[in-house]
Amino acid sequence: EAGVAQSPRYKIIEKRQSVAFWCNPISGHATLYWYQQILGQGPKLLIQFQNNGVVDDSQLPKDRFSAERLKGVDSTLKIQPAKLEDSAVYLCASSQKTGPGELFFGEGSRLTVL
Amino acid sequence: AQSVAQPEDQVNVAEGNPLTVKCTYSVSGNPYLFWYVQYPNRGLQFLLKYITGDNLVKGSYGFEAEFNKSQTSFHLKKPSALVSDSALYFCAVRDKSNYQLIWGAGTKLIIKP
Repeated sequence: EAGVAQSPRYKIIEKRQSVAFWCNPISGHATLYWYQQILGQGPKLLIQFQNNGVVDDSQLPKDRFSAERLKGVDSTLKIQPAKLEDSAVYLCASSQKTGPGELFFGEGSRLTVL
Repeated sequence: AQSVAQPEDQVNVAEGNPLTVKCTYSVSGNPYLFWYVQYPNRGLQFLLKYITGDNLVKGSYGFEAEFNKSQTSFHLKKPSALVSDSALYFCAVRDKSNYQLIWGAGTKLIIKP
């Protein structure tokens, strides 16, 4: 079974530029999560989708971050314009359903903003 | 407020010795409890979970965890540590009322040969 795919693995941009990350979850997983992980900290949920609907985006900085999951499968997270403090690893995860099921994570996309 | 605490930023253990990584939580009701491991430059990997039933759950790579309801703890354990166990370990708790997943800050486990 293929795992959660993310790209790119690494991205370096200057502040005020834009960047997009892509995630393809495990086949059949209805729930998709985007997390931000700053070095030395635990993951922080940015947005959670159930199929193509948003379940929780309360911690997403909506003035600069956006995410979509148009067909209920893969998803894109965009940052525009980027700030220095956006430097982090962006983790995508999926699960079969919300509740007792565990999350399966991708390798992450490391963003460096200069 | 709901929270998960991993009181130790770092745990050092000699290879072959038992290890414990601590986790306590403050969540209403009976939550779902998880442990994940993160190796350098990798995503998080699921280790084990407690849903209901036996308080001692067994997971991947020889790890186990004990749910203690009275102490609201879910400590991760392994009888004999390996150098390859060195990694960052995260405890997470899912509130059954709203399914929000709450993460601890992580504990760095260092196993010395």
